[in-house]
Amino acid sequence: AQKITQTQPGMFVQEKEAVTLDCTYDTSDQSYGLFWYKQPSSGEMIFLIYQGSYDEQNATEGRYSLNFQKARKSANLVISASQLGDSAMYFCAMRDGNTGNQFYFGTGTSLTVIP
Amino acid sequence: DAGITQSPRHKVTETGTPVTLRCHQTENHRYMYWYRQDPGHGLRLIHYSYGVKDTDKGEVSDGYSVSRSKTEDFLLTLESATSSQTSVYFCAISDSGEPYNEQFFGPGTRLTVL
Repeated sequence: AQKITQTQPGMFVQEKEAVTLDCTYDTSDQSYGLFWYKQPSSGEMIFLIYQGSYDEQNATEGRYSLNFQKARKSANLVISASQLGDSAMYFCAMRDGNTGNQFYFGTGTSLTVIP
Repeated sequence: DAGITQSPRHKVTETGTPVTLRCHQTENHRYMYWYRQDPGHGLRLIHYSYGVKDTDKGEVSDGYSVSRSKTEDFLLTLESATSSQTSVYFCAISDSGEPYNEQFFGPGTRLTVL
């Protein structure tokens, strides 16, 4: 069964606007971690933000925030004030509490920022 | 940036030849992972290690083997490369098995099997 689902293969956003990238997850564990990574065209994988299942506040890191809705099992990434350098692939990932050895990745969303 | 290097960064090889990719870390992290990335599939786990000589299979382990004789090195071997193994391979590390520990990735190795 798919553990992480990203339903938006491609997204466009105007520069300086905000954009939301969707991610839903599937786990029966109570303890888990959710992560977002950015992969620019140069190919490296860059860690952006983390949300723990027990965290009551949504995580924020600069212009990135994670809209965590536990009951809906969603962990959407919000990028505010988009910049041209935000154009990249974005991957959502999860690490289960009980099988903490493994990370599960979605298929990614390609974001293009339009000037 | 986490100290993770991969070698080689690019390799072209022939079908049927053995190939070994190396991942080296300077962070003393316990967990190491090998992924492959293909269009439309995201990252898929090949094998991972949770300590020296402790390894386990991931989602797409057929045709691959791994070894970890030192904390800092994790080797991925394609015993007899096939064209379906043409991919970008990423190594990643993580400090522990706790769900709040993120992974850090190496720069990737682009492998082409002709």
